[in-house]
Amino acid sequence: DSGVTQTPKHLITATGQRVTLRCSPRSGDLSVYWYQQSLDQGLQFLIQYYNGEERAKGNILERFSAQQFPDLHSELNLSSLELGDSALYFCASSVGGLPNNEQFFGPGTRLTVL
Amino acid sequence: GEDVEQSLFLSVREGDSSVINCTYTDSSSTYLYWYKQEPGAGLQLLTYIFSNMDMKQDQRLTVLLNKKDKHLSLRIADTQTGDSAIYFCAESPGNTGKLIFGQGTTLQVKP
Repeated sequence: DSGVTQTPKHLITATGQRVTLRCSPRSGDLSVYWYQQSLDQGLQFLIQYYNGEERAKGNILERFSAQQFPDLHSELNLSSLELGDSALYFCASSVGGLPNNEQFFGPGTRLTVL
Repeated sequence: GEDVEQSLFLSVREGDSSVINCTYTDSSSTYLYWYKQEPGAGLQLLTYIFSNMDMKQDQRLTVLLNKKDKHLSLRIADTQTGDSAIYFCAESPGNTGKLIFGQGTTLQVKP
């Protein structure tokens, strides 16, 4: 158990819908990262937050948005869902937001878009 | 650019050594990492190497880094069936901590 929790574990929804994925980082970690793992694209970095502020952005679609709240949990919002958004979404946290800070990964949320 | 390449599959016999190779493109990465993903699980950091090192050994794991060729390898000695998993090489360009992953190498260990 990494100490990072993600809810829900599984999500099944229809095209055009909107969903919210939630992540609680390990106690004491200030930085949260979101990654998408799909068969087509592999494991891709989406976005990073550090202490409530956006720190780095990857290949995140405009239909996707995220935020980190004052209690440091984070939410990833996916809207106007398409079949190709079906993937495993991982959250990771680290104490700082630097390359020498180990990232601890949650178990992921599996999103299926029908 | 940011790109990491790995071979997709490796099959070895239990007790043999496994070597998984990776190439990366961004020379600004100060750390390079190896992660392990077991079926149905998240990723777990196995080991990492600082970019000014050539080699790092950690029990059964040996990481070799050729910075000139931007080539990284992970050697697992005395491979066990429990080592069967997907292994990801990753770089962290810049100073934000974001990870750029390779496609992952599936390691199959036959008894």
